[in-house]
Amino acid sequence: GQQVMQIPQYQHVQEGEDFTTYCNSSTTLSNIQWYKQRPGGHPVFLIQLVKSGEVKKQKRLTFQFGEAKKNSSLHITATQTTDVGTYFCAGVNGANSKLTFGKGITLSVRP
Amino acid sequence: EAQVTQNPRYLITVTGKKLTVTCSQNMNHEYMSWYRQDPGLGLRQIYYSMNVEVTDKGDVPEGYKVSRKEKRNFPLILESPSPNQTSLYFCASAGTSGSYEQYFGPGTRLTVT
Repeated sequence: GQQVMQIPQYQHVQEGEDFTTYCNSSTTLSNIQWYKQRPGGHPVFLIQLVKSGEVKKQKRLTFQFGEAKKNSSLHITATQTTDVGTYFCAGVNGANSKLTFGKGITLSVRP
Repeated sequence: EAQVTQNPRYLITVTGKKLTVTCSQNMNHEYMSWYRQDPGLGLRQIYYSMNVEVTDKGDVPEGYKVSRKEKRNFPLILESPSPNQTSLYFCASAGTSGSYEQYFGPGTRLTVT
């Protein structure tokens, strides 16, 4: 079945450093979504990417969809303590429209 | 306010005692889904529903049942809970299908002893 991989599962950064994480799919995706879960909270939708090579920005967050539509990245510029949480990608299979979540990456930020 | 609600938020129960976790959304969404979240395993889909009376198995359906008699409600039923079903459960809804933005409920933390 479809696999969506996020490695590593944890990353620690110093406040002010940039942070990049990747999401890789075993199958071609029709679109990819990113969610953020704060500690003790529930996942909250951040963004959806649909087009090959698409880049979207939300303030200090930059999301990119790969040209082959099998991978995606999330880049945070100058991390802040408010960026702490777990970031999930979720890929929609292009063949059957099934949504599969990655295991997530938990980001901690040292002040 | 657009929201997904779940009840109860916390539940401690014993092995074999049937329980139901309710989920309701007020956004007139067609798609609803249940996930469980376990450390190191991320979000795994249990069941989903594309519309009223239409339900399908997700990745980990064993030991769970669902029903979708009304558009707004999607209860999760554990007929005979076991300790390996101790987990954090999330209900989610989306406009048309899973390929759309999903709105998650606040979660239900279940402990089965």
